[in-house]
Amino acid sequence: DGGITQSPKYLFRKEGQNVTLSCEQNLNHDAMYWYRQDPGQGLRLIYYSQIVNDFQKGDIAEGYSVSREKKESFPLTVTSAQKNPTAFYLCASTTAGGYNEQFFGPGTRLTVL
Amino acid sequence: GQNIDQPTEMTATEGAIVQINCTYQTSGFNGLFWYQQHAGEAPTFLSYNVLDGLEEKGRFSSFLSRSKGYSYLLLKELQMKDSASYLCAVRVRAAGNKLTFGGGTRVLVKP
Repeated sequence: DGGITQSPKYLFRKEGQNVTLSCEQNLNHDAMYWYRQDPGQGLRLIYYSQIVNDFQKGDIAEGYSVSREKKESFPLTVTSAQKNPTAFYLCASTTAGGYNEQFFGPGTRLTVL
Repeated sequence: GQNIDQPTEMTATEGAIVQINCTYQTSGFNGLFWYQQHAGEAPTFLSYNVLDGLEEKGRFSSFLSRSKGYSYLLLKELQMKDSASYLCAVRVRAAGNKLTFGGGTRVLVKP
């Protein structure tokens, strides 16, 4: 079955540690996105990538980094420079046709202790 | 930038109708999406409007007025499972098919 996977579902880290969140898709989508969601809030765009080896900053990129070495994979690193990293992180990819709607992975809930 | 507003919370009774409004201010408008998100889960796509008018899909309908910067999502014959957050998102004519999301409207369906 095609889809987007994110692992792990829950992640705990100590303050000051970098952590990498995984996002993999087998939908053959070119564009991929990372969002952050805080409790009771909407989604805010962190980074996005339209094609392999290229990515752009979103609205809240500070303290985060990404890579896009393969079409299927778009990992997000939350660095120690991110002041308030505890949040729900969602990865998405976009269809090439139809409405170009974004499909979302199940999300990773990161808690920094 | 874009500014998207929707009510924070709404309560309705099972079997009733609820209308969730979304207003936006943006340049380069290129479509409006509605997503449903249950607590702790990923958003799922509900509807898309790019031209003025009403799009109906079963119990859910979405309306768009581009001149007014206004959309609504109409949920009919409410069921308990419709209790969720509903996110309005606007796409602009810019690189990457970027979406800007509103804060979401939490709908609570009561028996």
